Amino acid sequence: AQSVAQPEDQVNVAEGNPLTVKCTYSVSGNPYLFWYVQYPNRGLQFLLKYITGDNLVKGSYGFEAEFNKSQTSFHLKKPSALVSDSALYFCAVRDNSGNYGQNFVFGPGTRLSVLP
Amino acid sequence: DVKVTQSSRYLVKRTGEKVFLECVQDMDHENMFWYRQDPGLGLRLIYFSYDVKMKEKGDIPEGYSVSREKKERFSLILESASTNQTSMYLCASSRDTENTEAFFGQGTRLTVV
Repeated sequence: AQSVAQPEDQVNVAEGNPLTVKCTYSVSGNPYLFWYVQYPNRGLQFLLKYITGDNLVKGSYGFEAEFNKSQTSFHLKKPSALVSDSALYFCAVRDNSGNYGQNFVFGPGTRLSVLP
Repeated sequence: DVKVTQSSRYLVKRTGEKVFLECVQDMDHENMFWYRQDPGLGLRLIYFSYDVKMKEKGDIPEGYSVSREKKERFSLILESASTNQTSMYLCASSRDTENTEAFFGQGTRLTVV
């Protein structure tokens, strides 16, 4: 079965510094990987996805993610953090191992705090 | 602009009540999902539907049922609400291809008293 791990519950970074939020995955076939962000009392917003091709994926709000097949990782990055980036971040993999349809498996989430 | 709309942002219900959470999407998506979000546990799949009238149990279906009579609408039903069902409920939809993302509603925070 597919699974996603986010090894850090909390990441703190100073404004203007680079940030990294880590994600590792386990899949039985081709990995289709996603990052989402959640602001307080809101639903999840899609940031970016890896399907195939270039290992560096660019997404919304200046975020990017690096896919590493050998390390089964898909870390989220941003060169210069903003206080407004403070939120809960989820990594997800699309699970196509079921008999019908394809659902998403989410990691536990990482809370990012950007300090002014 | 794509949209997934959940009928309520906040809901307070009494133990034993039957509760309906409604979700509507305007993107003609085949797949629809109900997740429950609790602190420290991330998102857990309750049910998903891959077509009208078709459904599959997720990881935590006990105490819940679903209905999908029309493609755009996916309802989550708590047959007899209990306090341990107090949670944030998130609805999502997606196309039925593995390289497409899901779109989420704004969430319903349900409190059962």
